[in-house]
Amino acid sequence: GAGVSQSPRYKVAKRGQDVALRCDPISGHVSLFWYQQALGQGPEFLTYFQNEAQLDKSGLPSDRFFAERPEGSVSTLKIQRTQQEDSAVYLCASSLAGEGNEQFFGPGTRLTVL
Amino acid sequence: RKEVEQDPGPFNVPEGATVAFNCTYSNSASQSFFWYRQDCRKEPKLLMSVYSSGNEDGRFTAQLNRASQYISLLIRDSKLSDSATYLCVVNGRGSTLGRLYFGRGTQLTVWP
Repeated sequence: GAGVSQSPRYKVAKRGQDVALRCDPISGHVSLFWYQQALGQGPEFLTYFQNEAQLDKSGLPSDRFFAERPEGSVSTLKIQRTQQEDSAVYLCASSLAGEGNEQFFGPGTRLTVL
Repeated sequence: RKEVEQDPGPFNVPEGATVAFNCTYSNSASQSFFWYRQDCRKEPKLLMSVYSSGNEDGRFTAQLNRASQYISLLIRDSKLSDSATYLCVVNGRGSTLGRLYFGRGTQLTVWP
């Protein structure tokens, strides 16, 4: 069956460019999460949606980061005016609902900011 | 202080060896604990949940010590295919409910 998909898989941006990263969760999964994984580190939480509601965005590192999930399925993470420190793998995960349910991760988008 | 602390390794062991990984977590109210496996340049995948009484899945045994806020993973009879990074993971509580806190991962290489 289809898992979580993300696009693009790789993105190279010049410093100052805006980027948009897409996540298609598993069909029927209510919860959707974005994580940022820097090289040699574990994933760090960015934000969390339940359906279309963004319940927690406290992990977003600055106001240049914005996420949306307008219809409760596909989500987009947008980064404005990218900086070199934004270079990382951006992982999307989805789960059925609530705490304790397994989060299934997509393959990630590897963002490199030059 | 990070929510989850883990020794990054690397651990290099021969096939057939037994290897143990540990991690500690800072939030005593945490209720859900996991080990995830991440292969090089791949996404994390759930290896096993960790229960208070300890649990086993084939060659893998996970244990939780709530008093010490300590989680362990034991791999017996290591296989070449066990080579990966093992991530210790704890679920958030209260206002951070739902999110996962990851350790930085422990890298394991099993050699023939």
